[in-house]
Amino acid sequence: DAGITQSPRHKVTETGTPVTLRCHQTENHRYMYWYRQDPGHGLRLIHYSYGVKDTDKGEVSDGYSVSRSKTEDFLLTLESATSSQTSVYFCAISTGTSSYEQYFGPGTRLTVT
Amino acid sequence: QKEVEQNSGPLSVPEGAIASLNCTYSDRGSQSFFWYRQYSGKSPELIMFIYSNGDKEDGRFTAQLNKASQYVSLLIRDSQPSDSATYLCAASMDSNYQLIWGAGTKLIIKP
Repeated sequence: DAGITQSPRHKVTETGTPVTLRCHQTENHRYMYWYRQDPGHGLRLIHYSYGVKDTDKGEVSDGYSVSRSKTEDFLLTLESATSSQTSVYFCAISTGTSSYEQYFGPGTRLTVT
Repeated sequence: QKEVEQNSGPLSVPEGAIASLNCTYSDRGSQSFFWYRQYSGKSPELIMFIYSNGDKEDGRFTAQLNKASQYVSLLIRDSQPSDSATYLCAASMDSNYQLIWGAGTKLIIKP
């Protein structure tokens, strides 16, 4: 158990509304990632963070923003949700050692109607 | 474009047999390779990683790496119905500990 929680676990929202998903870790790992997972696409990186206030875009960052004001929290915001953002969102951490492995939170299922 | 390719399956294997899952990658700079298991509705769970050419065994699981052929595989011996899941292959990128992900292979173990 890498001590990663995500909230909310499920959310239904309407098109055009802002949505913020939270990832919280208890072990002060430096690297954190937000992915989305859709059928047929596997895991796609949205944004990642390599430290407090240090973030960068992944391959599918359009329509998403992130913030990391504390080591333990990494927030993903959909500024104006669209139906194409209906997905399962996973947060992950990397211990940042030579091993590169990532550990995942339980996921958030987001439905945009 | 750096890619990891997996056959989407489903791969159907009888209980007790060996399940063989395969993955190819395009980035010769990738050094580390990972196998994750994902049950339906759950998050991916790391089951094996490998860095060096050859085989690495952990219980019923064996990971195999061939860097010359850019090929990674996962063997599951004595397959059990509880092994039924989607298996994701990932390769390291030399950038902020990112991983490149395959789309996964769905494995079904038939009793």
